[in-house]
Amino acid sequence: DIQMTQSPSSVSASVGDRVTITCRASQGINSWLAWYQQKPGKAPKLLIYAASSLQSGVPSRFSGSGSGTDFTLTISSLQPEDFATYYCQQANSFPITFGQGTRLEIK
Amino acid sequence: QVQLVQSGAEVKKPGASVKVSCKASGYTFINHGITWVRQAPGQGLEYMGWISPHNGNTDYAQKLQGRVTMTTDTSTSTAYMELRSLRSDDTAVFYCARDRQELVPIYYGTDVWGQGTTVTVSS
Repeated sequence: DIQMTQSPSSVSASVGDRVTITCRASQGINSWLAWYQQKPGKAPKLLIYAASSLQSGVPSRFSGSGSGTDFTLTISSLQPEDFATYYCQQANSFPITFGQGTRLEIK
Repeated sequence: QVQLVQSGAEVKKPGASVKVSCKASGYTFINHGITWVRQAPGQGLEYMGWISPHNGNTDYAQKLQGRVTMTTDTSTSTAYMELRSLRSDDTAVFYCARDRQELVPIYYGTDVWGQGTTVTVSS
């Protein structure tokens, strides 16, 4: 199975800050990576697919980049509604695997 | 609108089985694969498996092999996930989610999620 490692596990930031979360795959996954946001008690929400494509309806302050084994999710200017947990997911091959999550907290 | 509506919460005893349903509406059901994901309390997302309503092909997480079965009923646009021989560590919220891209499995992530079904396993 492909292992996905996210860093950091948690981060504290303020409204208006720029935040970057990284995700590393244990082997190359081309650009088949997705990012999700999850708020407590809610289902995950797709933010980015195919490493850098913004899902419809997602604010443009979210962006993704990378290919192969190293990927990043960047939030350019944090808004209050962005405080949540973020997961990367490799979608290159079965079984699908997720990173362990990054909890984004208010400083 | 496109949505997935899951069945209600369940409480089961160890050793029992649970079958969770996921009813799709607002799109052509057979054109999008369905992924099942679970989340234990306070934990991350865990892939359980995937099914194609188009041809019935499945992929199951190795750790669940032999205990899980995923099926679809195209006449009612409903996907099902059955988990058998339940243990306390199966207590989780179970989600179904739709492949974003038609007729292309998994590559583009999952864009529509059910509301989640809480399954509690306790004696």
